[in-house]
Amino acid sequence: GAGVSQSPRYKVAKRGQDVALRCDPISGHVSLFWYQQALGQGPEFLTYFQNEAQLDKSGLPSDRFFAERPEGSVSTLKIQRTQQEDSAVYLCASSRPGGGPQETQYFGPGTRLLVL
Amino acid sequence: AQSVTQLDSQVPVFEEAPVELRCNYSSSVSVYLFWYVQYPNQGLQLLLKYLSGSTLVKSINGFEAEFNKSQTSFHLRKPSVHISDTAEYFCAVSSGNTPLVFGKGTRLSVIA
Repeated sequence: GAGVSQSPRYKVAKRGQDVALRCDPISGHVSLFWYQQALGQGPEFLTYFQNEAQLDKSGLPSDRFFAERPEGSVSTLKIQRTQQEDSAVYLCASSRPGGGPQETQYFGPGTRLLVL
Repeated sequence: AQSVTQLDSQVPVFEEAPVELRCNYSSSVSVYLFWYVQYPNQGLQLLLKYLSGSTLVKSINGFEAEFNKSQTSFHLRKPSVHISDTAEYFCAVSSGNTPLVFGKGTRLSVIA
């Protein structure tokens, strides 16, 4: 079956622009995660959804970052007034129902954001 | 707070030689440990994980990792690497309801 998909794969934004990054999880996966991966670093947790409920947003770096998953499936990560330090690869992952921390997370290919 | 240290950022190794990628973690509670691999131009995928039970876990492509609680380590090993093992390897830790915490990654380069 289809894996996790993300769009766009690449995004170039001018500083101050708003961007929206989309994640389509694996069908039936209840849990959805967003990570930020800066160059040369490992992924860092941003936020977590279980169905449509955002249960943890402790990793969002500022109030310019906002994520939603209104129908418990597709999720959008929005970054307002982008800054150069927002340049990174944004990864989305999903896991099965019952998805506690021990469940395998399935990652999408990521969206590479470059802010000029 | 949990953290993961991958001591080597790059590991070059000749084909058919053994390799060990080191991972140490810090946590005050019981943990789940993971190795994820990212092949060139592909997304992260799970290689193996330790949840409980036997401290030695194995992947289908010949990698293995051993959970060592006293050393707080989860090193990844393979007795004989192939060119196709060239990738970036990430160690990660989680416990209870905490999010996955990843290390910075180790780039394994297998040389023919």
